[in-house]
Amino acid sequence: GQQLNQSPQSMFIQEGEDVSMNCTSSSIFNTWLWYKQEPGEGPVLLIALYKAGELTSNGRLTAQFGITRKDSFLNISASIPSDVGIYFCAGQRNTGKLIFGQGTTLQVKP
Amino acid sequence: NAGVTQTPKFQVLKTGQSMTLQCAQDMNHNSMYWYRQDPGMGLRLIYYSASEGTTDKGEVPNGYNVSRLNKREFSLRLESAAPSQTSVYFCASSRQVTNYGYTFGSGTRLTVV
Repeated sequence: GQQLNQSPQSMFIQEGEDVSMNCTSSSIFNTWLWYKQEPGEGPVLLIALYKAGELTSNGRLTAQFGITRKDSFLNISASIPSDVGIYFCAGQRNTGKLIFGQGTTLQVKP
Repeated sequence: NAGVTQTPKFQVLKTGQSMTLQCAQDMNHNSMYWYRQDPGMGLRLIYYSASEGTTDKGEVPNGYNVSRLNKREFSLRLESAAPSQTSVYFCASSRQVTNYGYTFGSGTRLTVV
């Protein structure tokens, strides 16, 4: 069954606001990943995190690998309309296969 | 453009019908995957192929079969479609199973009536 809990499920924000979403698990992961899915497309990798405590940025996006290796968060600063989509966290263990969270649907009001 | 190509993009089936979803990648990746996406459930792994000639079950394999036809192609077959298989199906590939760099196709939206 689903092993990653992602929250919130959905967000409706005003353009320019900052966004924060997170993912938690009862199990340890070696790698945390964040993907974005736009309507009618497959997920696209945004950020990959490899070490506990690691903080990585990609433009307005910042993600952190939790110290316990059981959680991760993604922040988006100064949101813009093209940030709309579904954001997925994914964890990877030694077996390699990705396990995905349920997704956070982000809507941005201009 | 290089990437993962899925066909068809849309399909409607009647309960009990069979069909095969096709997937091909041109990135010389070793590993390929089939996921299904349902509202509120995220992406769940159906089957994967770590390398040509091998296939393994994922989280939700019941009702599906797969074939790794060659290094490029990985197909998903529904032998007797059921309404519970209404979903969006994504194929993905990566250099190897332990590599995080999954590339996803654009999906097949399947409705079973």
